[in-house]
Amino acid sequence: GQNIDQPTEMTATEGAIVQINCTYQTSGFNGLFWYQQHAGEAPTFLSYNVLDGLEEKGRFSSFLSRSKGYSYLLLKELQMKDSASYLCAVRDPNNNAGNMLTFGGGTRLMVKP
Amino acid sequence: DVKVTQSSRYLVKRTGEKVFLECVQDMDHENMFWYRQDPGLGLRLIYFSYDVKMKEKGDIPEGYSVSREKKERFSLILESASTNQTSMYLCASIPSGLVVNYGYTFGSGTRLTVV
Repeated sequence: GQNIDQPTEMTATEGAIVQINCTYQTSGFNGLFWYQQHAGEAPTFLSYNVLDGLEEKGRFSSFLSRSKGYSYLLLKELQMKDSASYLCAVRDPNNNAGNMLTFGGGTRLMVKP
Repeated sequence: DVKVTQSSRYLVKRTGEKVFLECVQDMDHENMFWYRQDPGLGLRLIYFSYDVKMKEKGDIPEGYSVSREKKERFSLILESASTNQTSMYLCASIPSGLVVNYGYTFGSGTRLTVV
C-alpha cells in the first residue's frame, strides 16, 4: 500500500522560518512534489525532488532522504500570503499510470502577524 | 495562459440531477485525472485516463463515470447527484514518460453544491 503522512496544521509567525515534514511509504519511488494550495483554489507546483538533498528556490527549499522516506519543505521569511495548505505528493512508477501522484492529506499553515 | 480548463468554477445542482463536469487541456497530455477534495480528507482519486477512450477507477469511483472521447477532454459525470457529492472537484493532467519534473497541471477546480 501507499501511505503519505504530514501534519494537519501548523502555525507560525510572520518573518519566521517553518518546516513542514512529510514521510512516505510507497512500493516504488520516482520523485516527490510539493504543492501550495490557497483556500478555494487549485494546487500550484512548488518543488520537485528525486535525488537526496536540498533544492532551494528563493524563500522555499525542499529536502529529500530516500532511505528514510522523508522530505520537508522549508519556508523562510514567512509572509502573510504564505498562509495556505501545502501538499506532499509522491510519484510511484508501480502505479497503474506511471505518472500518477499519490497525495498526503495536506498541511494547513497559518501565518500570524 | 490557461492550460487546464474546467468549465465551471461554481455549480449548484439538485439531488437526482445528472451532472457533467468538463475538463480540457491544451498540452497534449496523455494522462488525465479527476479528484475530489474535502476538508480533512485531502485529494481523493475518482477516475483517471491514460489514453483516449481508456479509463480506470480510482479510489472512490462509486456514483461517478467518465468519458474521454478526445485526447484533450476528460469529462466527469455524476449519474444521479446526491448531497454527499458536494465537494471541490479538481481535474489534472500530466504527460506520459518519467522525465516530468513539474508534476500535475491542475485546473482551477469546480465547487459543486448538491441541494
